[in-house]
Amino acid sequence: EAGVAQSPRYKIIEKRQSVAFWCNPISGHATLYWYQQILGQGPKLLIQFQNNGVVDDSQLPKDRFSAERLKGVDSTLKIQPAKLEDSAVYLCASSLDGWDTQYFGPGTRLTVL
Amino acid sequence: GENVEQHPSTLSVQEGDSAVIKCTYSDSASNYFPWYKQELGKGPQLIIDIRSNVGEKKDQRIAVTLNKTAKHFSLHITETQPEDSAVYFCAAILTGGGNKLTFGTGTQLKVEL
Repeated sequence: EAGVAQSPRYKIIEKRQSVAFWCNPISGHATLYWYQQILGQGPKLLIQFQNNGVVDDSQLPKDRFSAERLKGVDSTLKIQPAKLEDSAVYLCASSLDGWDTQYFGPGTRLTVL
Repeated sequence: GENVEQHPSTLSVQEGDSAVIKCTYSDSASNYFPWYKQELGKGPQLIIDIRSNVGEKKDQRIAVTLNKTAKHFSLHITETQPEDSAVYFCAAILTGGGNKLTFGTGTQLKVEL
């Protein structure tokens, strides 16, 4: 089966600019996650969707980050405006449901200059 | 919330030797413990997992052990090969409790020829 797809793979922007990332989960997976992975650290959950509803966004910096999953399939994560400390790899993962194994995409490496 | 500690941060072994990575978790309610392998430029890939009702699980050269009383679990790789070189992350989760994975800080494994 096809894995989790993400785009773009790399993005370089200036601070205060905006950026958006896209994720297409494994077909049939109801649960979708966005993680932030700073260099040298483990992934940290930003937001979790169950279908098109938010389950957990407690660690999402809501003043600058937003995410949506309008039709319960694809998802976008946006940062506006970006800060230097947002430089990281943004990983998308999906699972069949909230009880199942999470499968990760390749990530988008964001560099904020 | 859950806190996962992982040791060592770096591990270098000779090809053919065994490698052991250890993790401890804080929340006794956690019931699912996956291990992920992350190669450079890629997302984490699940390599093995264990649930709290099992003490040990093995898959070819990889095994995981769980000690619920002590709240620690370990990854064992035998007969290491150069392609095992990667960053390994342990994680802990209470499935059904929002399915929020908490990752360890990672172990950089280098298998030398």
